[in-house]
Amino acid sequence: KAGVTQTPRYLIKTRGQQVTLSCSPISGHRSVSWYQQTPGQGLQFLFEYFSETQRNKGNFPGRFSGRQFSNSRSEMNVSTLELGDSALYLCASSLGTGLNSPLHFGNGTRLTVT
Amino acid sequence: AQTVTQSQPEMSVQEAETVTLSCTYDTSESDYYLFWYKQPPSRQMILVIRQEAYKQQNATENRFSVNFQKAAKSFSLKISDSQLGDAAMYFCAYRSAGGSQGNLIFGKGTKLSVKP
Repeated sequence: KAGVTQTPRYLIKTRGQQVTLSCSPISGHRSVSWYQQTPGQGLQFLFEYFSETQRNKGNFPGRFSGRQFSNSRSEMNVSTLELGDSALYLCASSLGTGLNSPLHFGNGTRLTVT
Repeated sequence: AQTVTQSQPEMSVQEAETVTLSCTYDTSESDYYLFWYKQPPSRQMILVIRQEAYKQQNATENRFSVNFQKAAKSFSLKISDSQLGDAAMYFCAYRSAGGSQGNLIFGKGTKLSVKP
């Protein structure tokens, strides 16, 4: 069974641009979560989707948005990029949202904003 | 708001020896879940072990075990018979019982090196 796939693995963008990151969950998984990982702030929760609905959202500005499609694939978008958005963005999927649905993480997308 | 603190940015252990990674957390909730995740250089986070707060018995997974002290809000990870493949970043994480699985609060991590 294929794991969580995130594309692209690396991305370089310029300040002010926007970017879209993609996450394909494990087949059958309906829940997708996104995290931002930086050396200074560590891992911070961005949002969680289940069956195309956003269930939870972290404390990030409105420039960060996401969506989930009917096939459970998810995208996150960051508009008007800032230097501080440089980070590793991790996606995780699970069957559901309960404890018995452990999170499976992807390898992340490394975003560099110059 | 809940917080998770890992006070050891880096740790080192000799192969085959035992090492303990520390984690403390702050919460006013009585029911919650705690996790240890491992992140090797490949960047993929891997669940090592989890503990339900209502369970008094410490969780164990092969060479990995936890020391869960609810009153002290402490959740340390013990790795026995350390192997070279254990070298990684280790993150402690908290989840509210009423929250969903995807919404975890992570500590800043401990980088574990294993010496041959």
